[in-house]
Parts: sequence; structure tokens; C-alpha cells
Amino acid sequence: DQQVKQNSPSLSVQEGRISILNCDYTNSMFDYFLWYKKYPAEGPTFLISISSIKDKNEDGRFTVFLNKSAKHLSLHIVPSQPGDSAVYFCAASAPGGSYIPTFGRGTSLIVHP
Amino acid sequence: KAGVTQTPRYLIKTRGQQVTLSCSPISGHRSVSWYQQTPGQGLQFLFEYFSETQRNKGNFPGRFSGRQFSNSRSEMNVSTLELGDSALYLCASSNEGANVLTFGAGSRLTVL
Repeated sequence: DQQVKQNSPSLSVQEGRISILNCDYTNSMFDYFLWYKKYPAEGPTFLISISSIKDKNEDGRFTVFLNKSAKHLSLHIVPSQPGDSAVYFCAASAPGGSYIPTFGRGTSLIVHP
Repeated sequence: KAGVTQTPRYLIKTRGQQVTLSCSPISGHRSVSWYQQTPGQGLQFLFEYFSETQRNKGNFPGRFSGRQFSNSRSEMNVSTLELGDSALYLCASSNEGANVLTFGAGSRLTVL
């Protein structure tokens, strides 16, 4: 049973436009959400996160939105650049223990010049 | 500050063999987690070690095991390899209580 779902395996966007990557979760205990970016032959790197007490967090071109009632979060990249082409993983963790995150299956973003 | 180092980066084994993968965490990080990445399956949690103790375990068979040493370095072992074990094995380290993981580049295992 997937607790974190990224229903779009891939997304293609033109350079300069907005990229929107979506993520849904089922576990209402999740209270911290993260996005990681992964290039081929490299490990995932942390991109941006959001706590459940917020509904938006912004870092430069990257903004994450959280809708707790819908159990949905999204990552917006504006403007998209060819260097953003990578696989993006959504992750969520619950309080207590050691905050082991549960990851989605990833969305492959391709930004065309 | 050196990152998370995983060795070997690539390896090929045959069915029935066993394999040991190594991970050196960021200096000062005492938590080490292991994940398996296969095409279309995302990152699946294997186990987490903290202060030489397995603190959390994912839903993998007993053929998958690990350990952590006093210097926080960790190893994972897969015995009686199956074709389905072909994957990228990722190690990540973090500070105690931190939400963010720092990943290594992974060990790509191919089972023939």
C-alpha cells in the first residue's frame, strides 16, 4: 500500500515555463514533507521541505504548497531551466522515532530548451 | 566536509551469491539508513542504524541484513542473491532527530 503517491511518472516542460509536480499521501500522521532531486548516477539531494503547520514554503525558484485537507502537496519550479531536468521524489515523515521518510516513486522532469 | 561515500559503485554478481556494500556517513552523523531503488518503485526503506543498533526495519526478507560499526560506518549484506535484487542501493546519513537525509551516490548491483 503506497502511502506517498506520485501519479505522474514523467513531465515535460518548456524552458522558462512553470513546472508543477504533484504528490498525494494517505497517512494522516505525516507532518513533515520533503522534495529530493536526483540526477543519473548520483544520489538524491534535498531540495525543499515543509512542515504541516505551514501551507507554503518558498526557496528561490522552488515553492512547495501543502493542502492538508486534501492530503496533497505540489512543487512549483518557476522559471524552469534545462538543469532542472531530473527525477523528483516526494517524501513524508511522521513524528516520533527517527523520522524515517516514506518516498514516492518519483517524477521524471524534462525541461526542453 | 566529505559527503556520504558508498563502495563499490558498481558490481555484478550471479544468482545465489552474496554481496556486501559499504557506507561511510558524513562525519558526526550517527544515523545511517539504507534504501533500495528499482525502476518504477521509488526508494524503498531497508533499515536504519543508530549507535550500532538497528532502530528501524523495512519490509524486506531476512536475506537483507546490515550492521553499523562504532565509527558509524555501515555495511549491508544480501545473501542468496536473486535476479530481482538488481537495483541501486542508496545509503543516507543524518544527525539525530534531523528530517533531512544526505545520500551517497549509491551502489549499482546487477544480478545475472
